[in-house]
Amino acid sequence: TQLLEQSPQFLSIQEGENLTVYCNSSSVFSSLQWYRQEPGEGPVLLVTVVTGGEVKKLKRLTFQFGDARKDSSLHITAAQPGDTGLYLCAGAGGKLTFGQGTILTVHP
Amino acid sequence: GAGVSQSPSNKVTEKGKDVELRCDPISGHTALYWYRQSLGQGLEFLIYFQGNSAPDKSGLPSDRFSAERTGGSVSTLTIQRTQQEDSAVYLCASSLRPTSGRAALGEQFFGPGTRLTVL
Repeated sequence: TQLLEQSPQFLSIQEGENLTVYCNSSSVFSSLQWYRQEPGEGPVLLVTVVTGGEVKKLKRLTFQFGDARKDSSLHITAAQPGDTGLYLCAGAGGKLTFGQGTILTVHP
Repeated sequence: GAGVSQSPSNKVTEKGKDVELRCDPISGHTALYWYRQSLGQGLEFLIYFQGNSAPDKSGLPSDRFSAERTGGSVSTLTIQRTQQEDSAVYLCASSLRPTSGRAALGEQFFGPGTRLTVL
């Protein structure tokens, strides 16, 4: 069974601060996706990373896939209240395996 | 709309009753997934349909859970003799191609979920 561990589980910060969310596994994934979910809605895909060492940027969000394709990170620069939500990583390797999520709250 | 729809949005039932949850995927999407999500937590995989292949039922927690997909489109998740621990949000997702392997990087499009409460 492939498991993904996300950390931290909860993150509460002030507007303008930077943060990093980690997604780790002992398994190798063919690709890894990051989703964001708001209350009452389903998750929405932010990015897919495929190549070991790959870095993708989406405005203030930077995603990195580890060289060994076992881990990933999401870094947000100058967080805004609109970034508040549940962030989920998901590894592809047979079927999509989701981490338990990181609940981010950005206070104005 | 063109997205994944689920019904009902909320379902309250009594312990021991059966419930049916419905998912209408995006037209043309061959893959359909059911997940369960507890409050503020990650997604627990339940079942996966891909085209005409036999479904992957490996995530179903017990034989009280079953799902079918008729005509390669609409899917129904059935929970028999509901228990209080079944209370959760049940999410359905569809993708144009399966999310597996390097060549298949299908994005999963999620519905809004059905919030099930078992009293």
